[in-house]
Amino acid sequence: DGGITQSPKYLFRKEGQNVTLSCEQNLNHDAMYWYRQDPGQGLRLIYYSQIVNDFQKGDIAEGYSVSREKKESFPLTVTSAQKNPTAFYLCASSTDRHYNSPLHFGNGTRLTVT
Amino acid sequence: AQSVTQLGSHVSVSEGALVLLRCNYSSSVPPYLFWYVQYPNQGLQLLLKYTTGATLVKGINGFEAEFKKSETSFHLTKPSAHMSDAAEYFCAVSWGTDKLIFGTGTRLQVFP
Repeated sequence: DGGITQSPKYLFRKEGQNVTLSCEQNLNHDAMYWYRQDPGQGLRLIYYSQIVNDFQKGDIAEGYSVSREKKESFPLTVTSAQKNPTAFYLCASSTDRHYNSPLHFGNGTRLTVT
Repeated sequence: AQSVTQLGSHVSVSEGALVLLRCNYSSSVPPYLFWYVQYPNQGLQLLLKYTTGATLVKGINGFEAEFKKSETSFHLTKPSAHMSDAAEYFCAVSWGTDKLIFGTGTRLQVFP
């Protein structure tokens, strides 16, 4: 079955360390997204990519970086510059570059930084 | 600025009762509308979507939603709640090439 795989499910890091969250899809989707979810705040867009080798900042990109070297993969790095990194991170993809197609989500990575 | 409002961060119903989760959006420009469901520690799953055509949209698990342009609303309903419906529900709205905006979510509790 096609889908989105996020790994690991839980991640623990010390403050000051960079950490990379993995996101892989086998849906052959062009567009991929990273969202951050905090209790009571819904989903906030960190970065998105509509095509390989291109990506755009979302609403809360500061302290994060991404790459899109392959269509299937869109890893997110949480850098030490991110002031409050503890959160639930969701990766998603969609069939085209417009926002009228449904998003397909992975099961998320819960990051805890102490 | 465009926005999406979900009234009620928590909704509680008894098993078998009507479920009504509210969603309103800010612009009168015809949008694309979505409802997603999230079970604990999982990603979001699409429940239903409205793009064009019939304003009453049927989704999975017996849910449906009605697009009311005059009220700028897209409320989610289910005639009879099941225990398995307990989850968080997100309304999301897009105006095409603009970004997708999510509401802050409504947590549904179902009591026996």
